[in-house]
Amino acid sequence: EIILTQSPDFQSVTPKEKVTITCRASQAIGRSLHWYQQKPGQSPRLLIKSASQSLSGVPSRFSGSGSGTDFTLTINTLEVEDVATYFCHQSTNVPYTFGQGTKLEIK
Amino acid sequence: QLQLQESGPGLVQPLETLSLTCHISGDSISTSWGWLRQTPGKGLEWIGSLYSSGGTDYNPSLRGRATISIDTSKNQLSLRLNSVAAADTALYYCARQGSAWFYFDPWGPGTLVTVSS
Repeated sequence: EIILTQSPDFQSVTPKEKVTITCRASQAIGRSLHWYQQKPGQSPRLLIKSASQSLSGVPSRFSGSGSGTDFTLTINTLEVEDVATYFCHQSTNVPYTFGQGTKLEIK
Repeated sequence: QLQLQESGPGLVQPLETLSLTCHISGDSISTSWGWLRQTPGKGLEWIGSLYSSGGTDYNPSLRGRATISIDTSKNQLSLRLNSVAAADTALYYCARQGSAWFYFDPWGPGTLVTVSS
């Protein structure tokens, strides 16, 4: 099973700050890494697919990068509405697995 | 626009079978689908997938207890989980699965299942 480790687990942030979340895989997964946002009381929402592909309807301040074992989700100029928990997910091998999540809160 | 809605019993007795359905509307059902669950302790866990080819994959951690099927006449995806225990208490989601990269998008709102006597 591929283990995904996110860092940090928790971050206190301020509006307009640039936020970087990392996801490290226990073995190489190419670019089969996806990012989700989950706000309280809501189901996860896909933000970035295949490491760096943006999706229609997702604000351009969200971007992803990386390949192999190390991946990054960047939020440029964070807005209050971005306060949520963010998860990475690998789809290279079954069982598909998720990172433990990174929770952002307003400072 | 694709909409998903999970439904289920809410409360299940230990050792019984959990049965959940996911009603699919607004788009083609002829694609790949997944069931996932979430708990505060274990986070997000993939349960299994039913691919557009008709094949399935399941999480080995469930030790063969899960079965996913689809009823195209009713536009419903189903999950059966046998011999449930307290550890199966979770918020259960259905989601469409991408055909090339196997990401999950969108997700249903989820249905809470509690296993307790």
